[in-house]
Amino acid sequence: DAKTTQPPSMDCAEGRAANLPCNHSTISGNEYVYWYRQIHSQGPQYIIHGLKNNETNEMASLIITEDRKSSTLILPHATLRDTAVYYCIVRSFNTNAGKSTFGDGTTLTVKP
Amino acid sequence: NAGVTQTPKFQVLKTGQSMTLQCAQDMNHEYMSWYRQDPGMGLRLIHYSVGAGITDQGEVPNGYNVSRSTTEDFPLRLLSAAPSQTSVYFCASRPNQNTGELFFGEGSRLTVL
Repeated sequence: DAKTTQPPSMDCAEGRAANLPCNHSTISGNEYVYWYRQIHSQGPQYIIHGLKNNETNEMASLIITEDRKSSTLILPHATLRDTAVYYCIVRSFNTNAGKSTFGDGTTLTVKP
Repeated sequence: NAGVTQTPKFQVLKTGQSMTLQCAQDMNHEYMSWYRQDPGMGLRLIHYSVGAGITDQGEVPNGYNVSRSTTEDFPLRLLSAAPSQTSVYFCASRPNQNTGELFFGEGSRLTVL
């Protein structure tokens, strides 16, 4: 699976959009981009995933560049409860690729 | 639906002791995995299983054993605990090795003295 690079930390004002970048320049054609978050010491929680089209759900939007080498997770109206570590991972749906590996993620702090 | 259940939530061991962290899921997921998370770090994959009777190593398998005799259960065994294994352990599952997102348990915090 492709390696991802994320900034270690970011701040965001409450009520503003939080834009979290992820670089995955070695991504291949059959690899999806997944985002998870981990609030405090809880188990990570799935947010969203995509292949090449932009995706939106009730939690967030995912923007993937046309060359697929980077993506941005957007929390449209960040709240204090969105303070968490956000993980971007890339995963193949190849039958031999059972592993999902996580990096260190981005610590997002939402400030009042 | 309980999802992914881990026990115990907290455990203190002495160096050299053995123990098993339990993980059970009630979603009929084929894929299950174990991660460890050290303070201030991301998750590192220990072992994973793509179905009953099949297991494989992740990034940091040394010092840990797993087995998968049923679809529901995926226990993680520490044969001889070391202080370096002090960590928070997370179990996760997804429908199969190819599709779906991971569902995580709430974690098991292990301290080895």
